[in-house]
Amino acid sequence: DADVTQTPRNRITKTGKRIMLECSQTKGHDRMYWYRQDPGLGLRLIYYSFDVKDINKGEISDGYSVSRQAQAKFSLSLESAIPNQTALYFCATSELAGGSNEQFFGPGTRLTVL
Amino acid sequence: DAKTTQPTSMDCAEGRAANLPCNHSTISGNEYVYWYRQIHSQGPQYIIHGLKNNETNEMASLIITEDRKSSTLILPHATLRDTAVYYCIVRVAIGGSQGNLIFGKGTKLSVKP
Repeated sequence: DADVTQTPRNRITKTGKRIMLECSQTKGHDRMYWYRQDPGLGLRLIYYSFDVKDINKGEISDGYSVSRQAQAKFSLSLESAIPNQTALYFCATSELAGGSNEQFFGPGTRLTVL
Repeated sequence: DAKTTQPTSMDCAEGRAANLPCNHSTISGNEYVYWYRQIHSQGPQYIIHGLKNNETNEMASLIITEDRKSSTLILPHATLRDTAVYYCIVRVAIGGSQGNLIFGKGTKLSVKP
């Protein structure tokens, strides 16, 4: 089974709708991240969380909100979706400290806002 | 902004070594060089990282110049499955937000038969 899972994998929605993307991990990591990727570009950080009580804005947080329901779960919400939020969204996790501090990514959610 | 500069694209023949360069002339003393790759539209995958010594693992080798202003990722025997976008990222290894990944556009490596 995958260590980092994202649901849904694909979603088409309409402008103005509220949508939630979910991320779950079984790696036992404290840190979780949400990124978006637009065609031909690298990933950009939306929000990140270093533990259940910690939420931080990333580079492009406007129009998004997050919830860290538990160590293993980190959800991304679009309160009122707009077409320029059409993108590929990735969740990632990493250990709090030590080791290589590498991030482990989920398979991605392809979101289309019409 | 990404703190690295990479070529937009490179080609490599299958079975040959792929050498992917990266410039990071403003790297700080406590920043590591990390490499990730992204195959098609999958989630990025960690490859390797290093501070100043050359590093090797089962996937690749990382050569960092003595002044640390540039590095090269080496895939010793490239296969078609190595076709991907390769990202070179500099970051502190641990800590707060300084440890977040900042992705540039990376290098699109095409391995050809």
